[in-house]
Amino acid sequence: QVQLVESGGGVVQPGRSLRLSCAASGFTFRSYGMHWVRQAPGKGLEWVAVIWYDGKNKDYADSVKGRFTISRDNSNNTLSLQMNSLIAEDTAVYYCARASLWNGYYYSDYWGQGTLVTVSS
Amino acid sequence: QSVLTQPPSVSGAPGQRVTISCTGISSSFGPGSDVHWYQHLPGTAPKLLIYGNTNRPSGVPDRFSGSKSGTSASLAITGLQAEDEADYYCHFYDSRLSGYVFGTGTRVTVL
Repeated sequence: QVQLVESGGGVVQPGRSLRLSCAASGFTFRSYGMHWVRQAPGKGLEWVAVIWYDGKNKDYADSVKGRFTISRDNSNNTLSLQMNSLIAEDTAVYYCARASLWNGYYYSDYWGQGTLVTVSS
Repeated sequence: QSVLTQPPSVSGAPGQRVTISCTGISSSFGPGSDVHWYQHLPGTAPKLLIYGNTNRPSGVPDRFSGSKSGTSASLAITGLQAEDEADYYCHFYDSRLSGYVFGTGTRVTVL
Protein backbone atom coordinates (compact mmCIF):
# COMPACT_ATOMS: atom_id res chain seq x y z
CA GLN A 1 0.00 0.00 0.00
CA VAL A 2 1.07 3.60 -0.53
CA GLN A 3 3.05 4.97 2.39
CA LEU A 4 4.47 8.45 2.84
CA VAL A 5 6.50 9.20 5.95
CA GLU A 6 7.70 12.71 6.66
CA SER A 7 10.66 13.51 8.90
CA GLY A 8 12.95 16.38 9.79
CA GLY A 9 10.56 18.63 11.67
CA GLY A 10 11.48 20.36 14.89
CA VAL A 11 12.04 23.70 16.58
CA VAL A 12 14.22 26.19 14.72
CA GLN A 13 15.07 29.83 15.29
CA PRO A 14 13.89 32.54 12.89
CA GLY A 15 16.29 33.02 10.00
CA ARG A 16 17.68 29.50 10.23
CA SER A 17 17.21 26.56 7.87
CA LEU A 18 15.59 23.15 8.06
CA ARG A 19 15.30 20.26 5.64
CA LEU A 20 12.26 18.01 5.53
CA SER A 21 12.21 14.57 3.96
CA CYS A 22 9.43 12.28 2.81
CA ALA A 23 10.10 8.58 2.33
CA ALA A 24 7.78 6.99 -0.22
CA SER A 25 6.93 3.32 -0.65
CA GLY A 26 4.25 1.08 -2.11
CA PHE A 27 4.17 2.71 -5.55
CA THR A 28 6.45 3.63 -8.46
CA PHE A 29 7.75 6.89 -7.04
CA ARG A 30 9.38 8.11 -10.27
CA SER A 31 6.00 8.02 -12.05
CA TYR A 32 4.23 10.56 -9.84
CA GLY A 33 4.48 14.21 -9.01
CA MET A 34 4.69 15.20 -5.36
CA HIS A 35 3.25 18.09 -3.32
CA TRP A 36 4.19 19.69 -0.03
CA VAL A 37 1.21 21.12 1.84
CA ARG A 38 1.19 22.74 5.28
CA GLN A 39 -1.28 23.62 8.00
CA ALA A 40 -0.48 26.35 10.50
CA PRO A 41 -1.98 26.04 13.99
CA GLY A 42 -5.69 26.80 13.85
CA LYS A 43 -5.58 27.48 10.11
CA GLY A 44 -6.55 25.66 6.94
CA LEU A 45 -4.47 23.74 4.44
CA GLU A 46 -2.00 25.76 2.39
CA TRP A 47 -0.30 24.46 -0.72
CA VAL A 48 3.49 24.96 -0.57
CA ALA A 49 5.18 23.39 -3.60
CA VAL A 50 4.92 20.76 -6.32
CA ILE A 51 7.53 18.84 -8.27
CA TRP A 52 6.88 16.88 -11.41
CA TYR A 53 7.61 13.16 -11.65
CA ASP A 54 11.00 13.71 -13.27
CA GLY A 55 12.02 16.67 -11.13
CA LYS A 56 12.30 18.97 -14.14
CA ASN A 57 9.38 21.22 -13.28
CA LYS A 58 8.72 22.80 -9.89
CA ASP A 59 6.34 25.44 -8.64
CA TYR A 60 5.97 27.28 -5.36
CA ALA A 61 3.44 29.30 -3.41
CA ASP A 62 4.29 33.00 -3.35
CA SER A 63 4.67 32.81 0.45
CA VAL A 64 7.72 30.52 0.16
CA LYS A 65 9.14 31.37 -3.27
CA GLY A 66 12.85 32.17 -3.06
CA ARG A 67 13.17 30.62 0.40
CA PHE A 68 12.05 27.00 -0.06
CA THR A 69 13.34 24.44 -2.55
CA ILE A 70 11.57 21.21 -3.41
CA SER A 71 13.61 18.31 -4.77
CA ARG A 72 13.42 14.56 -5.24
CA ASP A 73 15.68 11.54 -5.48
CA ASN A 74 13.95 8.98 -7.65
CA SER A 75 16.66 6.41 -7.03
CA ASN A 76 15.93 6.49 -3.28
CA ASN A 77 12.19 7.24 -3.41
CA THR A 78 12.66 10.39 -1.38
CA LEU A 79 11.12 13.85 -1.55
CA SER A 80 12.74 16.82 0.18
CA LEU A 81 11.91 20.38 1.13
CA GLN A 82 14.81 22.70 1.93
CA MET A 83 13.51 25.62 3.98
CA ASN A 84 15.74 28.66 4.39
CA SER A 85 15.24 32.04 6.06
CA LEU A 86 12.46 30.63 8.18
CA ILE A 87 9.96 33.00 9.75
CA ALA A 88 7.34 32.52 12.45
CA GLU A 89 4.62 32.25 9.81
CA ASP A 90 6.25 29.04 8.54
CA THR A 91 5.24 27.27 11.76
CA ALA A 92 2.99 24.45 10.64
CA VAL A 93 2.50 20.75 10.16
CA TYR A 94 4.04 19.90 6.79
CA TYR A 95 2.52 17.10 4.73
CA CYS A 96 3.92 15.42 1.67
CA ALA A 97 1.36 14.08 -0.78
CA ARG A 98 1.50 11.98 -3.90
CA ALA A 99 0.30 13.93 -6.91
CA SER A 100 -1.68 12.32 -9.71
CA LEU A 101 -2.48 14.03 -13.00
CA TRP A 102 -5.97 15.06 -14.02
CA ASN A 103 -6.30 16.98 -17.29
CA GLY A 104 -2.66 18.03 -17.08
CA TYR A 105 -2.72 19.29 -13.51
CA TYR A 106 -2.04 17.59 -10.20
CA TYR A 107 -4.27 16.60 -7.31
CA SER A 108 -3.16 14.75 -4.17
CA ASP A 109 -4.39 11.19 -3.79
CA TYR A 110 -2.30 9.99 -0.84
CA TRP A 111 -0.92 11.96 2.08
CA GLY A 112 1.56 11.40 4.87
CA GLN A 113 0.87 11.99 8.55
CA GLY A 114 2.86 15.21 8.60
CA THR A 115 5.82 16.61 10.52
CA LEU A 116 5.66 19.68 12.77
CA VAL A 117 7.93 22.65 12.18
CA THR A 118 8.04 25.34 14.86
CA VAL A 119 9.89 28.56 14.16
CA SER A 120 10.58 30.29 17.44
CA SER A 121 13.39 32.03 19.28
CA GLN B 1 -6.16 34.52 1.94
CA SER B 2 -7.56 31.80 -0.30
CA VAL B 3 -9.25 32.63 -3.60
CA LEU B 4 -11.66 29.76 -2.96
CA THR B 5 -14.35 30.59 -0.43
CA GLN B 6 -16.14 27.94 1.62
CA PRO B 7 -18.65 28.34 4.45
CA PRO B 8 -16.82 28.07 7.79
CA SER B 9 -19.22 25.45 9.08
CA VAL B 10 -22.22 23.33 8.18
CA SER B 11 -24.14 20.94 10.38
CA GLY B 12 -26.82 18.29 10.11
CA ALA B 13 -28.47 15.48 11.98
CA PRO B 14 -27.53 11.87 11.31
CA GLY B 15 -29.07 10.71 8.05
CA GLN B 16 -29.51 14.19 6.64
CA ARG B 17 -27.93 15.70 3.54
CA VAL B 18 -25.48 18.60 3.73
CA THR B 19 -23.71 20.51 1.00
CA ILE B 20 -20.48 22.49 1.06
CA SER B 21 -19.92 25.19 -1.53
CA CYS B 22 -16.59 26.30 -2.96
CA THR B 23 -16.72 29.60 -4.83
CA GLY B 24 -13.97 31.31 -6.77
CA ILE B 25 -13.48 34.25 -9.09
CA SER B 26 -13.75 33.89 -12.84
CA SER B 27 -10.18 34.94 -13.59
CA SER B 28 -8.88 32.08 -11.46
CA PHE B 29 -10.63 29.48 -13.53
CA GLY B 30 -8.97 28.24 -16.66
CA PRO B 31 -7.44 25.05 -18.04
CA GLY B 32 -6.85 22.68 -15.17
CA SER B 33 -9.38 24.29 -12.86
CA ASP B 34 -11.10 21.08 -12.03
CA VAL B 35 -11.94 20.88 -8.34
CA HIS B 36 -10.87 18.20 -5.90
CA TRP B 37 -12.13 17.63 -2.36
CA TYR B 38 -10.41 16.37 0.80
CA GLN B 39 -11.56 15.30 4.23
CA HIS B 40 -9.26 16.13 7.15
CA LEU B 41 -9.48 15.12 10.76
CA PRO B 42 -6.97 17.23 12.72
CA GLY B 43 -3.86 15.27 13.55
CA THR B 44 -4.35 12.78 10.75
CA ALA B 45 -3.48 12.55 7.08
CA PRO B 46 -5.99 14.30 4.80
CA LYS B 47 -8.02 11.96 2.60
CA LEU B 48 -9.03 12.44 -1.03
CA LEU B 49 -12.81 12.31 -1.46
CA ILE B 50 -13.45 13.63 -4.96
CA TYR B 51 -11.14 14.35 -7.90
CA GLY B 52 -11.89 16.00 -11.22
CA ASN B 53 -15.10 17.62 -9.92
CA THR B 54 -17.19 14.47 -9.74
CA ASN B 55 -15.03 11.34 -9.47
CA ARG B 56 -14.80 9.19 -6.34
CA PRO B 57 -11.65 7.17 -5.65
CA SER B 58 -12.20 3.53 -4.84
CA GLY B 59 -13.13 3.06 -1.20
CA VAL B 60 -14.91 6.39 -0.81
CA PRO B 61 -18.59 5.80 -0.02
CA ASP B 62 -21.10 6.93 -2.63
CA ARG B 63 -22.66 9.13 0.07
CA PHE B 64 -20.05 11.68 -1.07
CA SER B 65 -20.61 13.39 -4.41
CA GLY B 66 -19.16 16.41 -6.17
CA SER B 67 -20.34 18.85 -8.79
CA LYS B 68 -19.07 21.97 -10.53
CA SER B 69 -20.72 24.73 -12.51
CA GLY B 70 -18.88 27.78 -13.74
CA THR B 71 -16.81 29.24 -10.91
CA SER B 72 -18.46 27.22 -8.14
CA ALA B 73 -18.20 23.65 -6.96
CA SER B 74 -20.08 21.68 -4.32
CA LEU B 75 -19.56 18.63 -2.17
CA ALA B 76 -22.67 16.82 -0.99
CA ILE B 77 -22.80 14.33 1.84
CA THR B 78 -26.00 12.29 2.02
CA GLY B 79 -26.96 10.01 4.90
CA LEU B 80 -24.74 11.99 7.26
CA GLN B 81 -22.89 9.84 9.80
CA ALA B 82 -21.02 10.67 13.00
CA GLU B 83 -17.75 9.64 11.36
CA ASP B 84 -18.23 12.42 8.78
CA GLU B 85 -17.38 15.05 11.39
CA ALA B 86 -14.23 16.62 9.97
CA ASP B 87 -12.87 19.55 8.02
CA TYR B 88 -13.42 19.59 4.27
CA TYR B 89 -11.34 21.45 1.68
CA CYS B 90 -11.70 22.10 -2.01
CA HIS B 91 -8.56 22.41 -4.14
CA PHE B 92 -7.66 23.40 -7.69
CA TYR B 93 -5.08 25.00 -9.94
CA ASP B 94 -5.52 28.75 -10.08
CA SER B 95 -4.74 30.08 -13.56
CA ARG B 96 -4.45 33.66 -12.32
CA LEU B 97 -1.93 32.81 -9.60
CA SER B 98 -0.28 30.04 -11.62
CA GLY B 99 -0.33 27.82 -8.58
CA TYR B 100 -2.44 25.43 -6.58
CA VAL B 101 -4.80 26.67 -3.89
CA PHE B 102 -7.03 25.22 -1.20
CA GLY B 103 -10.38 26.55 -0.17
CA THR B 104 -10.83 28.18 3.22
CA GLY B 105 -12.16 24.94 4.69
CA THR B 106 -15.50 23.88 6.18
CA ARG B 107 -16.07 22.17 9.51
CA VAL B 108 -18.89 19.63 9.32
CA THR B 109 -20.67 18.93 12.60
CA VAL B 110 -23.07 16.03 13.10
CA LEU B 111 -25.72 17.09 15.58
